[in-house]
Amino acid sequence: GAVVSQHPSRVICKSGTSVKIECRSLDFQATTMFWYRQFPKQSLMLMATSNEGSKATYEQGVEKDKFLINHASLTLSTLTVTSAHPEDSSFYICSASKGRDQPQHFGDGTRLSIL
Amino acid sequence: GENVEQHPSTLSVQEGDSAVIKCTYSDSASNYFPWYKQELGKRPQLIIDIRSNVGEKKDQRIAVTLNKTAKHFSLHITETQPEDSAVYFCAASIYNQGGKLIFGQGTELSVKP
Repeated sequence: GAVVSQHPSRVICKSGTSVKIECRSLDFQATTMFWYRQFPKQSLMLMATSNEGSKATYEQGVEKDKFLINHASLTLSTLTVTSAHPEDSSFYICSASKGRDQPQHFGDGTRLSIL
Repeated sequence: GENVEQHPSTLSVQEGDSAVIKCTYSDSASNYFPWYKQELGKRPQLIIDIRSNVGEKKDQRIAVTLNKTAKHFSLHITETQPEDSAVYFCAASIYNQGGKLIFGQGTELSVKP
């Protein structure tokens, strides 16, 4: 199989807090992981591509200093939302694949609510 | 960059009928086209995919067709069941861009018993 685990599943915190979300590939190694953001009743918007051992590649319009991505190992990528504000409230989902020509498998997502 | 358009945004069918969802893409370099099913509040789940060297693929009640010349691909669900109700997303991917997925807007499918 190809299992992707994401934690936490739900975060509620005050404005100004930084929040870290973890994405793990449990039974395979992933040199590349992806981070998406999804607003209610909308599609998944790619935020960035996380590359193991190198800097992440951010999509146009995504602030790299706001959304810090670290991919320190072949099974773990983290997304840190720094100084979060209410407009950052959203559903964040990661995905990983065994290779760039292989299907992507998604984590369960993290619902972030900033008060 | 790649842009994926998906239609319709909502689709309501009677149980047992067929459902068809269509997508178009803009970048002719795209070579991988997956379809995901997402239930409310849950992760997207891959239901079928097709590569650019294939015109059609079928898996039980689900089939996908690809027309590279016209740059469009479609999802076909036959003999629909209430449990097929969900939001369906198409996506396109370019191998040389690291395999990142660009998603369509989604189709909310409702299958009425």
